[in-house]
Amino acid sequence: AQSVTQLGSHVSVSEGALVLLRCNYSSSVPPYLFWYVQYPNQGLQLLLKYTTGATLVKGINGFEAEFKKSETSFHLTKPSAHMSDAAEYFCAVTRYSSASKIIFGSGTRLSIRP
Amino acid sequence: IAGITQAPTSQILAAGRRMTLRCTQDMRHNAMYWYRQDLGLGLRLIHYSNTAGTTGKGEVPDGYSVSRANTDDFPLTLASAVPSQTSVYFCASSEGTGGNQPQHFGDGTRLSIL
Repeated sequence: AQSVTQLGSHVSVSEGALVLLRCNYSSSVPPYLFWYVQYPNQGLQLLLKYTTGATLVKGINGFEAEFKKSETSFHLTKPSAHMSDAAEYFCAVTRYSSASKIIFGSGTRLSIRP
Repeated sequence: IAGITQAPTSQILAAGRRMTLRCTQDMRHNAMYWYRQDLGLGLRLIHYSNTAGTTGKGEVPDGYSVSRANTDDFPLTLASAVPSQTSVYFCASSEGTGGNQPQHFGDGTRLSIL
């Protein structure tokens, strides 16, 4: 069975500071991993994904994530936070066989302090 | 702009009434999905369709039905609404059905059942 745990339902950082959003997964087979971002009153948008190959994945808006199999983690980072990064972030895991088997984490709300 | 259109954007409904949430995509994606989003629970899959003419049950299908008569449309029906179905509903699509396929989301329908 698959599962996703996002540590911290709310993270607050200062503008210009490092952003680190944590995601740990469990999967009995090699997973596909995603990060999505949701702005208020909008649907989710894909930030980045890991399927195969390079374990450090770069996404939109300066975000990146590293797949660490030994730690079963896929943490999302950004070197310098922007006010526009304030949003809800969701980590998700699925298997090779079916996109309908995707499991979403409960989300982390990121706030940016001026 | 290509994407997913959901209607209505919000609705207040009396318990026991029938309601259909509409979803249309113009990307010619094969797979479509319906999720509900509840605070602290992330997104949970209600129903999905891998291709026109087929549908499947997700994690929380009870009280909901779907149809997929063509590629573009994927309506979700609540036959007899109950207060526990108060939620934000998102329709999504993916080009294929493999687990590495990212999903594209609409902006949601906010539904309140009184």
